[in-house]
Amino acid sequence: GAVVSQHPSWVICKSGTSVKIECRSLDFQATTMFWYRQFPKQSLMLMATSNEGSKATYEQGVEKDKFLINHASLTLSTLTVTSAHPEDSSFYICSATGTGSRYGYTFGSGTRLTVV
Amino acid sequence: DQQVKQNSPSLSVQEGRISILNCDYTNSMFDYFLWYKKYPAEGPTFLISISSIKDKNEDGRFTVFLNKSAKHLSLHIVPSQPGDSAVYFCAASGGGTASKLTFGTGTRLQVTL
Repeated sequence: GAVVSQHPSWVICKSGTSVKIECRSLDFQATTMFWYRQFPKQSLMLMATSNEGSKATYEQGVEKDKFLINHASLTLSTLTVTSAHPEDSSFYICSATGTGSRYGYTFGSGTRLTVV
Repeated sequence: DQQVKQNSPSLSVQEGRISILNCDYTNSMFDYFLWYKKYPAEGPTFLISISSIKDKNEDGRFTVFLNKSAKHLSLHIVPSQPGDSAVYFCAASGGGTASKLTFGTGTRLQVTL
C-alpha cells in the first residue's frame, strides 16, 4: 500500500514553454504533498509544501510564480514549471503523507526535466 | 545552511561485511529520522526510521542508531549485499508526520564481491 504515481517520468521541453508534472496518491489520501528538486550528485531540496485545498508554502529562494503548485484534491497534486529555462533542468520528486500512508512519507518515482 | 550532513560522500564495503553510514544534524527540533535508498532517476525508497524517543530500531539487515546528545545517527547494514549498492540519504523532520523532511547530502555505497 501507500503508492504515489508520478508522471511523466521524463520530459524534454523548449525554453519558454510550460511543463506540468502530476503526482497521484493511489491508495491513500494525501493531505500533504511535498515537492523536491535534485540536481546531479546533490541532495533533495524541498521546494514547497502543499496541503489539500490550501495555497502552497514555498521554501526560501523558490519562485512561486515560476513553480505553480496545485493540490485541489486528496489524491492529486501538480507542479507546473512556467516559462522553463535550461537552468530549470533537474529531477523533480513529489512526496505525500496522509491517512493510510504507512511510513509517513511516500515518494513518487520522479520526473527528469530537460529544457533545451 | 546544511542542517543534515553526511560527511562521507562514498563508501566501499565487501559483500558480507557491515556497512555503516553516518549522519549528523544540527537542528535540535528534529524528532524523527529516516533513511532512504535511492537509485539515479528514481524516487527514494524508504528503509527504516527512528523516533527521538528511541536510540535503536532494527528491521532485518538494517539497524538505525540514534545518539541525541551527539546529534548523530547511523545506519548499519549487515550483511551487506551487492544489491545494496546505491545512494543512501538520511532525512529528518520535526513536529509530526506532516512536517517537511530535510535531507542529508547522501552517501554512495558500493558493495563489492
